[in-house]
Amino acid sequence: DAGVTQSPTHLIKTRGQQVTLRCSPISGHKSVSWYQQVLGQGPQFIFQYYEKEERGRGNFPDRFSARQFPNYSSELNVNALLLGDSALYLCASSLEGQGHGYTFGSGTRLTVV
Amino acid sequence: AQSVTQPDIHITVSEGASLELRCNYSYGATPYLFWYVQSPGQGLQLLLKYFSGDTLVQGIKGFEAEFKRSQSSFNLRKPSVHWSDAAEYFCAVGPYSGGGADGLTFGKGTHLIIQP
Repeated sequence: DAGVTQSPTHLIKTRGQQVTLRCSPISGHKSVSWYQQVLGQGPQFIFQYYEKEERGRGNFPDRFSARQFPNYSSELNVNALLLGDSALYLCASSLEGQGHGYTFGSGTRLTVV
Repeated sequence: AQSVTQPDIHITVSEGASLELRCNYSYGATPYLFWYVQSPGQGLQLLLKYFSGDTLVQGIKGFEAEFKRSQSSFNLRKPSVHWSDAAEYFCAVGPYSGGGADGLTFGKGTHLIIQP
C-alpha cells in the first residue's frame, strides 16, 4: 500500500506569492493533518480535517487555509508568502478514533525568496 | 496548554552503547504519547506510541519507551545503538481521542550522533 504522498517535494516561491501544497492520505484514512516544520524545530500543528470538515486549527494566521476533498485528499494554501513561511510542510493521515497513530508523508520543502 | 520538553538538544553515543532520550510532557488530560524519528530531509517515521495499558512500550528498530505518569515522562531507550540510528528524534503528545482540535504537540527534538 502507498503511504502518505505529498506534492511537490520542493518548490521555490517569491515573497507575496501564493502556494498550494497537496496531500494524498493512506487508503482508508479519513483524517488529514498539516504541520509546519521550520529548520531546527519540531513540527507545529496547522490544521486537521476529517470527512471534509475542519476539526482543529493551530496558531497560524488566516493566510493559511486548507480543504479536504471527497476522496480524502487535501490541499494547504498559503497566501501572501513571507520569508518566514520557508519550512518543511508535513501532511499526516490517520484513522479516526482512539488508539491510532499518525503516518507522515515526506513533506514539501518550501523556500520563499 | 500542552507542551513537550526534550532537554537534550544533542546526544553523542558510541556504536554498541545503550541510549536513553528524555521526554517530559505537560497535558491536562490522559495523554497519547509518541516517538518519531526523522532522517535529514525526510518526513517522520513512527517508532512507537503509548495509548493505554502496559507502561513499557515496544517499538520498531529495537526501541522501547516507558511511560511514567508520576514523572510526566516518556523516555526512549535502546540497549545497543547502530550507526544507522543517527537521526533527529521527536517526542510528541496528543489528545486521547487520537485527533482533534489541538493536533499533536512536538518537542524540539534531540539530535543523535553515533561515534564509531
